[in-house]
Amino acid sequence: EDQVTQSPEALRLQEGESSSLNCSYTVSGLRGLFWYRQDPGKGPEFLFTLYSAGEEKEKERLKATLTKKESFLHITAPKPEDSATYLCAVQAAGYQLIWGAGTKLIIKP
Amino acid sequence: ETGVTQTPRHLVMGMTNKKSLKCEQHLGHNAMYWYKQSAKKPLELMFVYNFKEQTENNSVPSRFSPECPNSSHLFLHLHTLQPEDSALYLCASSQTSGSGYEQYFGPGTRLTVT
Repeated sequence: EDQVTQSPEALRLQEGESSSLNCSYTVSGLRGLFWYRQDPGKGPEFLFTLYSAGEEKEKERLKATLTKKESFLHITAPKPEDSATYLCAVQAAGYQLIWGAGTKLIIKP
Repeated sequence: ETGVTQTPRHLVMGMTNKKSLKCEQHLGHNAMYWYKQSAKKPLELMFVYNFKEQTENNSVPSRFSPECPNSSHLFLHLHTLQPEDSALYLCASSQTSGSGYEQYFGPGTRLTVT
Protein backbone atom coordinates (compact mmCIF):
# COMPACT_ATOMS: atom_id res chain seq x y z
CA GLU A 1 0.00 0.00 0.00
CA ASP A 2 1.30 3.47 -0.90
CA GLN A 3 2.18 5.43 2.22
CA VAL A 4 3.83 8.70 3.27
CA THR A 5 5.10 9.32 6.82
CA GLN A 6 6.45 12.61 8.11
CA SER A 7 8.59 13.05 11.21
CA PRO A 8 8.77 14.53 13.68
CA GLU A 9 5.14 15.49 14.25
CA ALA A 10 6.32 18.77 15.80
CA LEU A 11 9.68 20.49 16.09
CA ARG A 12 10.65 23.46 18.24
CA LEU A 13 13.88 25.29 17.41
CA GLN A 14 15.60 28.42 18.52
CA GLU A 15 16.10 31.10 15.89
CA GLY A 16 19.27 30.24 13.96
CA GLU A 17 19.24 26.57 14.97
CA SER A 18 19.40 24.48 11.78
CA SER A 19 17.56 21.15 11.47
CA SER A 20 15.83 18.78 9.06
CA LEU A 21 12.33 17.44 8.52
CA ASN A 22 11.82 13.94 7.17
CA CYS A 23 9.33 12.51 4.68
CA SER A 24 9.60 8.77 4.13
CA TYR A 25 7.54 7.04 1.49
CA THR A 26 6.67 3.63 0.11
CA VAL A 27 5.07 3.93 -3.31
CA SER A 28 5.29 2.09 -6.57
CA GLY A 29 6.51 4.21 -9.43
CA LEU A 30 7.37 7.61 -7.99
CA ARG A 31 6.40 10.40 -10.38
CA GLY A 32 7.12 13.32 -8.07
CA LEU A 33 7.54 14.39 -4.45
CA PHE A 34 6.11 17.75 -3.40
CA TRP A 35 6.79 19.98 -0.40
CA TYR A 36 4.29 22.55 0.79
CA ARG A 37 4.16 25.07 3.60
CA GLN A 38 0.86 25.78 5.39
CA ASP A 39 0.25 28.71 7.72
CA PRO A 40 -2.65 28.61 10.21
CA GLY A 41 -5.99 29.34 8.56
CA LYS A 42 -4.52 29.25 5.05
CA GLY A 43 -4.18 26.79 2.21
CA PRO A 44 -0.92 24.97 1.50
CA GLU A 45 1.69 26.98 -0.41
CA PHE A 46 3.80 25.11 -2.96
CA LEU A 47 7.55 25.02 -2.27
CA PHE A 48 9.34 22.33 -4.31
CA THR A 49 8.92 19.37 -6.64
CA LEU A 50 11.55 16.62 -6.76
CA TYR A 51 11.40 13.94 -9.44
CA SER A 52 14.33 11.56 -8.99
CA ALA A 53 16.78 10.32 -6.36
CA GLY A 54 19.74 12.64 -5.94
CA GLU A 55 17.84 15.74 -6.93
CA GLU A 56 18.10 18.84 -4.71
CA LYS A 57 16.29 22.19 -4.74
CA GLU A 58 16.81 25.33 -2.69
CA LYS A 59 14.79 28.40 -1.81
CA GLU A 60 16.12 30.93 0.68
CA ARG A 61 16.78 29.01 3.93
CA LEU A 62 15.14 25.79 2.67
CA LYS A 63 16.76 22.92 0.82
CA ALA A 64 14.93 19.77 -0.25
CA THR A 65 16.67 16.50 -1.09
CA LEU A 66 15.40 13.15 -2.35
CA THR A 67 16.53 9.53 -2.06
CA LYS A 68 14.74 6.36 -3.15
CA LYS A 69 13.03 6.06 0.22
CA GLU A 70 12.79 9.51 1.74
CA SER A 71 13.07 13.24 1.34
CA PHE A 72 14.53 15.79 3.72
CA LEU A 73 13.66 19.44 4.08
CA HIS A 74 16.71 21.13 5.56
CA ILE A 75 16.20 24.48 7.26
CA THR A 76 19.33 26.57 7.71
CA ALA A 77 19.45 29.35 10.32
CA PRO A 78 15.65 29.56 10.56
CA LYS A 79 13.77 32.70 11.51
CA PRO A 80 10.44 33.01 13.38
CA GLU A 81 8.66 33.62 10.06
CA ASP A 82 9.62 30.08 8.99
CA SER A 83 7.18 28.77 11.61
CA ALA A 84 4.46 26.79 9.80
CA THR A 85 3.32 23.26 9.12
CA TYR A 86 5.32 21.62 6.35
CA LEU A 87 3.51 19.04 4.24
CA CYS A 88 4.97 16.37 2.00
CA ALA A 89 3.05 14.64 -0.80
CA VAL A 90 4.02 11.91 -3.24
CA GLN A 91 2.61 11.26 -6.67
CA ALA A 92 2.77 7.62 -7.73
CA ALA A 93 1.59 5.69 -10.76
CA GLY A 94 -2.05 6.44 -9.97
CA TYR A 95 -1.41 10.21 -10.32
CA GLN A 96 -3.24 11.11 -7.10
CA LEU A 97 -1.16 12.82 -4.43
CA ILE A 98 -0.60 10.81 -1.26
CA TRP A 99 -0.14 13.19 1.65
CA GLY A 100 1.73 13.00 4.91
CA ALA A 101 0.21 14.39 8.12
CA GLY A 102 2.75 17.22 8.28
CA THR A 103 5.42 18.54 10.63
CA LYS A 104 4.57 21.59 12.72
CA LEU A 105 7.69 23.76 12.96
CA ILE A 106 7.98 26.43 15.66
CA ILE A 107 10.92 28.82 15.62
CA LYS A 108 11.38 30.78 18.83
CA PRO A 109 13.13 34.16 18.75
CA GLU B 1 -7.94 38.40 -8.35
CA THR B 2 -4.97 36.09 -8.58
CA GLY B 3 -4.35 32.44 -7.81
CA VAL B 4 -7.16 30.36 -6.36
CA THR B 5 -10.01 31.99 -4.47
CA GLN B 6 -12.67 30.36 -2.29
CA THR B 7 -15.91 31.64 -0.82
CA PRO B 8 -17.15 31.74 1.80
CA ARG B 9 -14.11 31.62 4.10
CA HIS B 10 -16.21 30.50 7.05
CA LEU B 11 -19.53 28.67 7.12
CA VAL B 12 -21.69 27.45 9.97
CA MET B 13 -24.62 25.28 8.99
CA GLY B 14 -27.15 23.05 10.62
CA MET B 15 -27.52 19.42 9.72
CA THR B 16 -30.65 20.10 7.65
CA ASN B 17 -29.31 23.08 5.68
CA LYS B 18 -28.20 23.20 2.07
CA LYS B 19 -25.21 25.36 1.17
CA SER B 20 -22.58 25.59 -1.55
CA LEU B 21 -18.85 26.28 -1.55
CA LYS B 22 -17.34 28.14 -4.50
CA CYS B 23 -13.84 27.99 -5.94
CA GLU B 24 -12.36 30.00 -8.81
CA GLN B 25 -8.88 29.70 -10.27
CA HIS B 26 -7.17 32.48 -12.24
CA LEU B 27 -4.14 30.42 -13.34
CA GLY B 28 -5.35 29.04 -16.65
CA HIS B 29 -5.26 25.48 -15.29
CA ASN B 30 -7.33 22.57 -16.55
CA ALA B 31 -7.64 20.44 -13.42
CA MET B 32 -9.41 21.28 -10.17
CA TYR B 33 -9.67 19.42 -6.88
CA TRP B 34 -11.63 19.36 -3.63
CA TYR B 35 -9.82 18.26 -0.47
CA LYS B 36 -10.96 17.82 3.13
CA GLN B 37 -8.46 18.71 5.87
CA SER B 38 -9.11 17.59 9.45
CA ALA B 39 -6.81 18.32 12.38
CA LYS B 40 -3.62 16.23 12.47
CA LYS B 41 -4.74 14.08 9.52
CA PRO B 42 -3.39 13.98 5.96
CA LEU B 43 -5.32 15.83 3.31
CA GLU B 44 -8.15 13.71 1.95
CA LEU B 45 -8.82 13.98 -1.77
CA MET B 46 -12.54 14.16 -2.46
CA PHE B 47 -13.02 14.95 -6.16
CA VAL B 48 -10.91 15.63 -9.24
CA TYR B 49 -12.00 17.34 -12.45
CA ASN B 50 -9.80 17.39 -15.52
CA PHE B 51 -11.00 19.53 -18.45
CA LYS B 52 -14.43 19.77 -16.73
CA GLU B 53 -14.80 15.99 -16.54
CA GLN B 54 -14.87 14.26 -13.16
CA THR B 55 -12.05 11.74 -13.03
CA GLU B 56 -11.97 10.81 -9.35
CA ASN B 57 -14.55 10.36 -6.63
CA ASN B 58 -12.87 8.88 -3.61
CA SER B 59 -15.88 7.19 -2.03
CA VAL B 60 -17.28 10.50 -0.88
CA PRO B 61 -20.77 10.38 0.70
CA SER B 62 -23.58 11.59 -1.55
CA ARG B 63 -24.30 14.49 0.80
CA PHE B 64 -21.33 16.14 -0.97
CA SER B 65 -22.07 16.94 -4.62
CA PRO B 66 -19.46 18.60 -6.87
CA GLU B 67 -20.11 20.71 -9.95
CA CYS B 68 -17.60 22.00 -12.49
CA PRO B 69 -19.26 24.24 -15.11
CA ASN B 70 -15.94 25.22 -16.71
CA SER B 71 -12.20 24.84 -16.10
CA SER B 72 -12.09 27.96 -13.91
CA HIS B 73 -14.95 27.29 -11.52
CA LEU B 74 -15.70 24.50 -9.08
CA PHE B 75 -18.54 24.14 -6.60
CA LEU B 76 -19.22 21.79 -3.72
CA HIS B 77 -22.90 21.48 -2.85
CA LEU B 78 -23.62 20.41 0.71
CA HIS B 79 -26.83 18.96 2.17
CA THR B 80 -27.81 17.10 5.33
CA LEU B 81 -24.26 17.10 6.65
CA GLN B 82 -23.07 15.42 9.84
CA PRO B 83 -21.01 16.97 12.66
CA GLU B 84 -18.00 14.87 11.58
CA ASP B 85 -18.03 16.78 8.27
CA SER B 86 -16.74 19.85 10.11
CA ALA B 87 -13.31 20.57 8.62
CA LEU B 88 -11.33 22.88 6.36
CA TYR B 89 -12.33 22.35 2.72
CA LEU B 90 -9.61 23.20 0.27
CA CYS B 91 -9.82 23.76 -3.45
CA ALA B 92 -6.75 23.34 -5.65
CA SER B 93 -5.86 23.54 -9.32
CA SER B 94 -3.05 22.28 -11.53
CA GLN B 95 -2.09 22.40 -15.19
CA THR B 96 -3.68 18.99 -15.65
CA SER B 97 -4.29 16.05 -13.32
CA GLY B 98 -1.42 14.13 -14.91
CA SER B 99 2.08 13.34 -13.77
CA GLY B 100 4.37 15.82 -12.03
CA TYR B 101 2.21 18.95 -11.98
CA GLU B 102 2.14 20.84 -8.72
CA GLN B 103 -1.19 21.86 -7.26
CA TYR B 104 -2.00 25.38 -6.12
CA PHE B 105 -4.41 25.83 -3.25
CA GLY B 106 -7.00 28.35 -2.22
CA PRO B 107 -7.31 29.63 1.37
CA GLY B 108 -10.03 27.13 2.23
CA THR B 109 -13.51 27.27 3.72
CA ARG B 110 -13.74 26.49 7.43
CA LEU B 111 -16.99 24.53 7.77
CA THR B 112 -18.72 23.93 11.09
CA VAL B 113 -21.76 21.63 11.18
CA THR B 114 -23.96 22.09 14.24
